[in-house]
Formats: sequence, C-alpha cells, structure tokens
Amino acid sequence: EAQVTQNPRYLITVTGKKLTVTCSQNMNHEYMSWYRQDPGLGLRQIYYSMNVEVTDKGDVPEGYKVSRKEKRNFPLILESPSPNQTSLYFCASSSRTLTLAGTDTQYFGPGTRLTVL
Amino acid sequence: RKEVEQDPGPFNVPEGATVAFNCTYSNSASQSFFWYRQDCRKEPKLLMSVYSSGNEDGRFTAQLNRASQYISLLIRDSKLSDSATYLCAVPDKYNFNKFYFGSGTKLNVKP
Repeated sequence: EAQVTQNPRYLITVTGKKLTVTCSQNMNHEYMSWYRQDPGLGLRQIYYSMNVEVTDKGDVPEGYKVSRKEKRNFPLILESPSPNQTSLYFCASSSRTLTLAGTDTQYFGPGTRLTVL
Repeated sequence: RKEVEQDPGPFNVPEGATVAFNCTYSNSASQSFFWYRQDCRKEPKLLMSVYSSGNEDGRFTAQLNRASQYISLLIRDSKLSDSATYLCAVPDKYNFNKFYFGSGTKLNVKP
C-alpha cells in the first residue's frame, strides 16, 4: 500500500529535550515536505526536499532541522523544543513535476501531535 | 497580506444543498491551485487540482477567476459525508516547491 508514515503519532516532551519525528514514504517520491498546522493559521511549510541531500527552507523553518540521506526518509529534528512548537505536524511527499503549469499531488502522512511543556 | 486566504466558516447547509466557498490568492502569476479535504485531526487529502480555468469531478467543481484572484469550490447535492474542512493551496510565485495553504473553510452538512 502506497503511504507516508510518521512516528511517533503523539509526543509530549519538555522544553529543550531534543527530539526527532520520522517520516517515511514507499512511493519512490523525490519531493518531501514538512508542515505544521495550528488553529487559525492553517498549514505552514517548515522545510522541503527536492531529492536526496537537497533541502530548503519553507515559510517557518526557525527551530527545526531536517536531513535527507535516503530517498524514502525525511526526519524532522527539533534540537531544543520550545512550547511555541506545540503543534500538529504533517509530512508529505510527491513525485515532483516542477513546471509552471502544474505540480504533482502531495500525499500526507497521518500527522504527529507534539506537545512541548 | 497572506498568500492565501479563506473564510473559516463554518458553512452549515442541509443535505442536498449546493454550497460554494472561495479562496483568494495574492500572487497574480499563480498557475496551479489545489483543493484539499481534511477531516477532523486527520491528514489533508487532495480533492481537486486546477491548472486552467477550472475543473469538475462529479459533484465538485472548482473555478478559477484570475481577474479577481480567487478560486472557488462548488459542491452540489451535499452529502453528510462532505462535512469536513476544505483547504486551498497555491505554490509560491518564485519557487514551485514552496506551498502556501489557506487556513481552511469548515463545512457542516446537516440532515
């Protein structure tokens, strides 16, 4: 089954304790992305990756790191989490078609609900 | 100004009704637009892509108004199962790998 998986699905942690949220896709997609979703603010893009070893900042990258060492995995790292990073996080992937006319569908993972105390 | 704006709603409609909501975008050069459906606390799922003037899929129609810079989503013959939040998304004007999502419009279809 084609899917994007995230782990953990729920996490409660404390300020400053480093954490990693994993994301994996089995569709051989080049493009992967991380979003956070907060009430009233919608989905905001944190980082994205065009392919292995190619990553770039989205709209809200502060406080986050990513890496793309393998095509299927795109972990999100919070080196020193703070309460304002409490949010619902989604990973997404797509088979990238980079043209002016269109881009490919993004498939989202089930989400990770993070609470930073 | 936000890149993408939506009326948060909620839109409360009876079954069988036709309902439409809009999404305004700031980049006049945008060429592609997306409507996603999101059920409560679940992941967004693509409903429809719009690359030209519009798109239609069954009861769902998306229309693009370039002059006024908005895309609309029309749902005919609403079903209870259409109750969800509808998000629109637009790529960045300089970088198609960056996406902006609206905050979503909530639809409640009632019996």
